[in-house]
Amino acid sequence: EVQLVESGGGLVQPGRSLRLSCAASGFTFDDYAMHWVRQAPGKGLEWVSGISRDSSTIGYADSVKGRFTISRDNANKNSLYLQMNSLRIEDTALYFCAKDGSPWYGSGSPFDYWGQGTLVTVSS
Amino acid sequence: SYELTQPPSVSVSPGQTAAITCSGDKLGDKHASWYQQKPGQSPVLVIYEDKKRPSGIPERFSGSNSGNTATLTISGTQAMDEADYFCQAWDRIALFGTGTKVTVL
Repeated sequence: EVQLVESGGGLVQPGRSLRLSCAASGFTFDDYAMHWVRQAPGKGLEWVSGISRDSSTIGYADSVKGRFTISRDNANKNSLYLQMNSLRIEDTALYFCAKDGSPWYGSGSPFDYWGQGTLVTVSS
Repeated sequence: SYELTQPPSVSVSPGQTAAITCSGDKLGDKHASWYQQKPGQSPVLVIYEDKKRPSGIPERFSGSNSGNTATLTISGTQAMDEADYFCQAWDRIALFGTGTKVTVL
């Protein structure tokens, strides 16, 4: 059974940093691209960032480019990460980790499995 | 920038057919996916590559995509289908539609 478990969310002040993690199990992690998608309270889904199976290709939404960094650990921890710097109030959202149906970022494949999300609240 | 537009809400009677549209420039040239999200839950993929159903998704869910519009159709709608639905496509980056709340009256 595919499982994606996010962690690392919390309350943080504007301008500070936070690192999210997503622990993956139930599938061969390094065979698939992975993504972060967020959902502000009461709002729709917004794709944040994606990374190919081997980290060779990475993409970011314009809203987070230059502030957020996605990475993955295929060798040891089967985990996906999102380093979030210079956080803004508008970054407040539930952050989901999602598995791609393909090894490659931008292939057009759907997000076939999702975690339960971790809540990030940016407030002073 | 590329945008995907959905109607905010669709109402349907039990047993009837609900059609949810997703509009974007030349969307028919891309693959569209659809996700169902119930309150307090994570999104679930219900349609991918315009019309394919993942394992475990009921046959009453179907999809099409042509021109500028992708459509998710729920035939014989059940109370359990009441949820938010989001379309999704790729245009250099991944994009989600604005979302449609389906109410089963």
